[in-house]
Amino acid sequence: QKEVEQNSGPLSVPEGAIASLNCTYSDRGSQSFFWYRQYSGKSPELIMSIYSNGDKEDGRFTAQLNKASQYVSLLIRDSQPSDSATYLCAGSFSGGYNKLIFGAGTRLAVHP
Amino acid sequence: EPEVTQTPSHQVTQMGQEVILRCVPISNHLYFYWYRQILGQKVEFLVSFYNNEISEKSEIFDDQFSVERPDGSNFTLKIRSTKLEDSAMYFCATTRGDGYTFGSGTRLTVV
Repeated sequence: QKEVEQNSGPLSVPEGAIASLNCTYSDRGSQSFFWYRQYSGKSPELIMSIYSNGDKEDGRFTAQLNKASQYVSLLIRDSQPSDSATYLCAGSFSGGYNKLIFGAGTRLAVHP
Repeated sequence: EPEVTQTPSHQVTQMGQEVILRCVPISNHLYFYWYRQILGQKVEFLVSFYNNEISEKSEIFDDQFSVERPDGSNFTLKIRSTKLEDSAMYFCATTRGDGYTFGSGTRLTVV
C-alpha cells in the first residue's frame, strides 16, 4: 500500500518566519512529488513539483527531495498571513501520468 | 492561466438519485482524473482516464460510478444511485505531464 504521511499540525509561525513542512512516503519507486495549497472549501492549487533529489526553489518556496530517506519537504520563507492554509503533499508513483496519492495535509497558520 | 472548469459548483440530491458531475479539461491535456475529498479527510483518487478509456480505478470506484468523455471536451463522472456516504467534494484534474491541475470542485450533498 503506497502511502504519503504528513503531520496534520497545526503549524503556527509568526509573519516573516520560515515555515517548514514535511512529508514521508512509503514507496521507494516513487517518481514525482507535488506540494499543493488548499484553502478551506477550495480545490488544491499546485505550488511546486519536484522530481529529483535535491532542492528546487521558486520565489519564497523551496522544495527538497531525499529519495534515500523517502522524505519531501517544503520551506516557505517570509511567511505571510495569506499563506495560512492546508498544505498537501502528493506523490505520483511508478512514473508516467499516474494517479496522485495525497497525504492528509498540514495546516499552517501564520500569525501577524 | 488555463483552468479546469467544473459544474455544478454545488449539487444537492436525494439518496438513490443519479448525478452527473461535469468537467471541461484544459484543451491540450490528455490525462484526466476524478478525485474526491470527504469533509476533513484526505483527497482520494477515484479514476484516471486516457485515450477514451479508464486507465486505473480505485476500490471506491465501484459499479455505481462511471466516467465518459461524450463530446471530446466534457469529462463526466456519473454516480448512478447516490448514497449518503457519497457526500463529498469531487475534483476533476488534468495533466500533460508537468503537474496536475485541479478544477474548482463540485460539492455533492446527498440527503
